[in-house]
Amino acid sequence: KNEVEQSPQNLTAQEGEFITINCSYSVGISALHWLQQHPGGGIVSLFMLSSGKKKHGRLIATINIQEKHSSLHITASHPRDSAVYICAVRLSGGSQGNLIFGKGTKLSVKP
Amino acid sequence: KAGVTQTPRYLIKTRGQQVTLSCSPISGHRSVSWYQQTPGQGLQFLFEYFSETQRNKGNFPGRFSGRQFSNSRSEMNVSTLELGDSALYLCASSLQDPALNEQFFGPGTRLTVL
Repeated sequence: KNEVEQSPQNLTAQEGEFITINCSYSVGISALHWLQQHPGGGIVSLFMLSSGKKKHGRLIATINIQEKHSSLHITASHPRDSAVYICAVRLSGGSQGNLIFGKGTKLSVKP
Repeated sequence: KAGVTQTPRYLIKTRGQQVTLSCSPISGHRSVSWYQQTPGQGLQFLFEYFSETQRNKGNFPGRFSGRQFSNSRSEMNVSTLELGDSALYLCASSLQDPALNEQFFGPGTRLTVL
């Protein structure tokens, strides 16, 4: 079983829809990251969370440490949001500093 | 402010050769991390450097090595290349400890091993 699981693997939405991508993890973490990767490979860090909720524009990220679960929400989705969204956790304890990545969620937003 | 730069952007090598990839972090950033991305394994952590010291290392064979210079620029080296080393190699920089600070990613070096 992977230490970081994302769902769904693929997601197709119509422009304007509300989108949720989920991330569950099974290890102790010090922080969780949400990353966005566009075709061509460039990666942008969207959020770094250790508790609670963060909002940036139309993007909202939440984390529940007790349930070991995080969600990334996109409100009023737009075709330019089409990308792969990757959840990554930073291990706590002896391996602090190592990032473990989920397999990613490929989002396609149709106009 | 210039972003993270990686050179070269594309590279083709043959099995058994060695390769050196370079990463220049954002000015003022002292931490550089390296990652490998393949279609099968996804993104995997390689190393993390801070002030010329390797602070963390991922689960990769000894053929993968790296270093960081006093100006924070970093290089990674892969010796005795194997077909499975074909991947996108990404570096990311952060101001201080990446556990506490946002990481900024470079565009990557796409390595093809024939």
